[in-house]
Amino acid sequence: DTGVSQNPRHKITKRGQNVTFRCDPISEHNRLYWYRQTLGQGPEFLTYFQNEAQLEKSRLLSDRFSAERPKGSFSTLEIQRTEQGDSAMYLCASSLAPGGNEQFFGPGTRLTVL
Amino acid sequence: AQSVTQPDIHITVSEGASLELRCNYSYGATPYLFWYVQSPGQGLQLLLKYFSGDTLVQGIKGFEAEFKRSQSSFNLRKPSVHWSDAAEYFCAVEGVAGGSYIPTFGRGTSLIVHP
Repeated sequence: DTGVSQNPRHKITKRGQNVTFRCDPISEHNRLYWYRQTLGQGPEFLTYFQNEAQLEKSRLLSDRFSAERPKGSFSTLEIQRTEQGDSAMYLCASSLAPGGNEQFFGPGTRLTVL
Repeated sequence: AQSVTQPDIHITVSEGASLELRCNYSYGATPYLFWYVQSPGQGLQLLLKYFSGDTLVQGIKGFEAEFKRSQSSFNLRKPSVHWSDAAEYFCAVEGVAGGSYIPTFGRGTSLIVHP
């Protein structure tokens, strides 16, 4: 197993466009997390899945953001009508349930909104 | 609601010197506590974690952390720093909210190591 992978690694888009990121977790991990990280800050929790069920979403998460994890394997994070404030590193992590287990992080997708 | 405070944005130490990175948390009970390290261009990697038992926890790369309930702290230490330890260090807590385990990370402490 090669760990958590994320694609693309970098994305540059114009304001108002939609973007989609993909995360492939470690295969036996049933939990998958999405975070956003801006410069000088720690990862900010966005949402997480256990298998295919989205169990929690941050109250800070705009309705322009949506995430899916069909069949409990890979996950996608879509941002609609991007804004400059969406520019950040988007991190994916996976772990085994229940909570409190080590999270394994991917390298992230850096989004730049022009 | 849970929160994490890492009061030091930057820490500079000389190679071979000891290190202590501070972390304070706020949570109604004892949460899961973690320290992660993020090297430039790398994903976050777990150094160690604590939930119960011995309050002094050993981790990878020679790091240790001590949980102090009375101070709501979980400080990270290393007796002798190596140049390769230069990185960003994040303290995290994970508490149960409505049956879900929600992780909260601190803003991080950037460690600079002088030769």
